[in-house]
Amino acid sequence: QLHLQESGPGLLKPSETLSLTCNVSGGSISSTIHHWAWIRQPPGKGLEWIASIYYSGNRFYKPSLKSRVTISVDTSKNQFFLKLNSVTAADTAVYYCARDKESTVMDWGQGTLVTVSS
Amino acid sequence: QSALTQSPSASGSPGQSVTISCTGTSSDVGAYKYVSWYQHHPGKVPKLIIYEVTERPSGVPDRFSGSKSGNTASLIVSGLQPEDEAEYYCSSHAGNYVIFGGGTKLTVL
Repeated sequence: QLHLQESGPGLLKPSETLSLTCNVSGGSISSTIHHWAWIRQPPGKGLEWIASIYYSGNRFYKPSLKSRVTISVDTSKNQFFLKLNSVTAADTAVYYCARDKESTVMDWGQGTLVTVSS
Repeated sequence: QSALTQSPSASGSPGQSVTISCTGTSSDVGAYKYVSWYQHHPGKVPKLIIYEVTERPSGVPDRFSGSKSGNTASLIVSGLQPEDEAEYYCSSHAGNYVIFGGGTKLTVL
């Protein structure tokens, strides 16, 4: 049974960099048929796909976030990561890590709330 | 890359059928078979209920079905049950990324 667990700071100040880690267990991040994604949901709003990565390092980003986002993977630790630069209050959201296959999110982490506030 | 368009709300009585639509463009919904639907209950993790337009994951009741015509995908919930009350999101492959709909709140009256 695949398990995804997000970790990272719950509170950031404006202009700081958000760094999140997703620990993957019960499955290999080196899967040749899956991508690993970050998705967020601001309070009271809908889901927003941020980025995804293949184990080999191929990266895909939401165009409007691309300038601020970096997704990376560490196959030796079965983890993948999200960095979001220059955060503002608009980046306050529950951040989910997920496993996706052909743009379908098959498995979700429990989500972690990140709040940006001065 | 605006969100796919979904009506904010839908409703129906138990036993009735409801259709939730998801409108995109010829660059996303209209271009690919990779349209999915997710059910999201408050405080829980979203759950995949339809993928590749019409396919149902194992364990999802056949009351849930999907279709697509042109740039619009639809989720049909038949035989509404109280536990179907939730937010529903569509998503689509859009080239090098994935785009979600804004969500539809389904109320079971």
